Amino acid sequence: GQQLNQSPQSMFIQEGEDVSMNCTSSSIFNTWLWYKQDPGEGPVLLIALYKAGELTSNGRLTAQFGITRKDSFLNISASIPSDVGIYFCAIPGAGSYQLTFGKGTKLSVIP
Amino acid sequence: NAGVTQTPKFQVLKTGQSMTLQCAQDMNHEYMSWYRQDPGMGLRLIHYSVGAGITDQGEVPNGYNVSRSTTEDFPLRLLSAAPSQTSVYFCASRRLAWGYNEQFFGPGTRLTVL
Repeated sequence: GQQLNQSPQSMFIQEGEDVSMNCTSSSIFNTWLWYKQDPGEGPVLLIALYKAGELTSNGRLTAQFGITRKDSFLNISASIPSDVGIYFCAIPGAGSYQLTFGKGTKLSVIP
Repeated sequence: NAGVTQTPKFQVLKTGQSMTLQCAQDMNHEYMSWYRQDPGMGLRLIHYSVGAGITDQGEVPNGYNVSRSTTEDFPLRLLSAAPSQTSVYFCASRRLAWGYNEQFFGPGTRLTVL
């Protein structure tokens, strides 16, 4: 099945800093999704990407997937303590309606 | 709308015991699924359903059974719990519409098998 590689696995940043995380695949995908999981909760969709090379924003979050359609990044600007959590990238899986998730990037924000 | 609800929130079982994890959604979503989350492993699909009476296996189905008798409910059954099934279980649902990808997750059930 498809595999997604997320990096870094974890990161510790100071409040106010910008954050960047990546997701790569060995296969081409035309849809990339970014989810966030708050501690003790289920994942929530942050951003859905449907066009290669196009930046999509959601508040302080910006994401894009590359023209090769094999990678995507998520940037968070001016981090705040509530940004703490695990960020997952996801792509449509083996079936049209399934999602395959990466292993996540765990973000810790130091006040 | 309550969204996706899961019960119980926490459960401790002994090896060999059986139990059912409950999942319900009130959004009239056709697609429902179960994932397990283990440290460093991300979310792995156990079983899924595209409508009442239709279920199929995901990536890690062994040791789990599901059924879908109504649109709203999608219970996950462990027939004989094993320590390897200690995990956090998430139920999710979504609309079945081409190009629509958002899945809504429940709050999770934290299961420990001793």
